[in-house]
Amino acid sequence: SQQGEEDPQALSIQEGENATMNCSYKTSINNLQWYRQNSGRGLVHLILIRSNEREKHSGRLRVTLDTSKKSSSLLITASRAADTASYFCATDPQNDYKLSFGAGTTVTVRA
Amino acid sequence: EAQVTQNPRYLITVTGKKLTVTCSQNMNHEYMSWYRQDPGLGLRQIYYSMNVEVTDKGDVPEGYKVSRKEKRNFPLILESPSPNQTSLYFCASKRGPNQPQHFGDGTRLSIL
Repeated sequence: SQQGEEDPQALSIQEGENATMNCSYKTSINNLQWYRQNSGRGLVHLILIRSNEREKHSGRLRVTLDTSKKSSSLLITASRAADTASYFCATDPQNDYKLSFGAGTTVTVRA
Repeated sequence: EAQVTQNPRYLITVTGKKLTVTCSQNMNHEYMSWYRQDPGLGLRQIYYSMNVEVTDKGDVPEGYKVSRKEKRNFPLILESPSPNQTSLYFCASKRGPNQPQHFGDGTRLSIL
């Protein structure tokens, strides 16, 4: 079942701007993960945030998690053309094996 | 190099002709999984395996079979493919609980 839902579905920004996308989910989770997919390629893991964590950073990426609202956000700062991709959140629910992906946010960074 | 390898990358075939998509990982991961990706639906899990000889259904298992006879390999079998199985398929593996998944580059199947 598709538990995570990303918002917006698509985002177009200028190079150098920040990009923010959100993910909402329905049930309790062990962790939430963000992945990037370049066109026609496999998914690349970006960040995993556990349910007892509220914020995590990796380079230009910042992820927040609010378990009370069942939501997460991914912020990409100072975007580059190479950040053009689809971004997916994936929720890792209690049984730990059925990772559920949302439909993704397509980000286009204009030069 | 640590990787998940899928073969073939592309396949066009006809309804009813059995096919197998292979998946191999070189990271000694216990957990492996198959997903299909369709426009607007994100990735949906087909089957997963927690270890050798241990497999279970994901969200969309109908029409698919898997086996896990060795730790590194997790083939996906379509016994009698149908057009609604035309999709982009991904194999993934991970080390254990609360770990990220490593994805293969995908297999694009077209069933006519």
